[in-house]
Amino acid sequence: ELKVEQNPLFLSMQEGKNYTIYCNYSTTSDRLYWYRQDPGKSLESLFVLLSNGAVKQEGRLMASLDTKARLSTLHITAAVHDLSATYFCAVDIYQAGTALIFGKGTTLSVSS
Amino acid sequence: DVKVTQSSRYLVKRTGEKVFLECVQDMDHENMFWYRQDPGLGLRLIYFSYDVKMKEKGDIPEGYSVSREKKERFSLILESASTNQTSMYLCASSSIKNIQYFGAGTRLSVL
Repeated sequence: ELKVEQNPLFLSMQEGKNYTIYCNYSTTSDRLYWYRQDPGKSLESLFVLLSNGAVKQEGRLMASLDTKARLSTLHITAAVHDLSATYFCAVDIYQAGTALIFGKGTTLSVSS
Repeated sequence: DVKVTQSSRYLVKRTGEKVFLECVQDMDHENMFWYRQDPGLGLRLIYFSYDVKMKEKGDIPEGYSVSREKKERFSLILESASTNQTSMYLCASSSIKNIQYFGAGTRLSVL
């Protein structure tokens, strides 16, 4: 059974601090997605990682993919309140942009 | 901008009712998806479709069916709604090998 595990599931951070969210998955895949969801809202695409060693950065967020370790990380640099949201990773199990298997999400709360 | 529109933001239905959730996308995407989202369980795939009149079961298809008569429209049907189907339902679409774009979601309550 394919599993996508995120940790931590809840993260409370102070503004200005750095932290990393981890996404482990149990099957071979070289396509991984990160999404953000604000409370009461839908999911917004953040990053698409398409190969081993891929690294993408947008503002204070940086995502990377290690397909050999079956691990993706989402690194937060100098957190600000606006980053408070739930972050999901999702693995493309058919390598064709079709069905995604999502992790349970990491709820991030950034406070001053 | 890609737009995925779900027909209702909130729905309240009675147990045993037949419920239709509609989703329309305007980007000519081949693939469309229905997920449900529950606290602590994340998103779980119910059904997806990669072409008109084609459908594939996801992880939790029991109690649901789908219809895709036109490329832009994908409907989720609850044949006889039950209280354990109270949830947030999210529709998404994508082109081949591309990211999925999500609708705003429908929060369904079954009483």
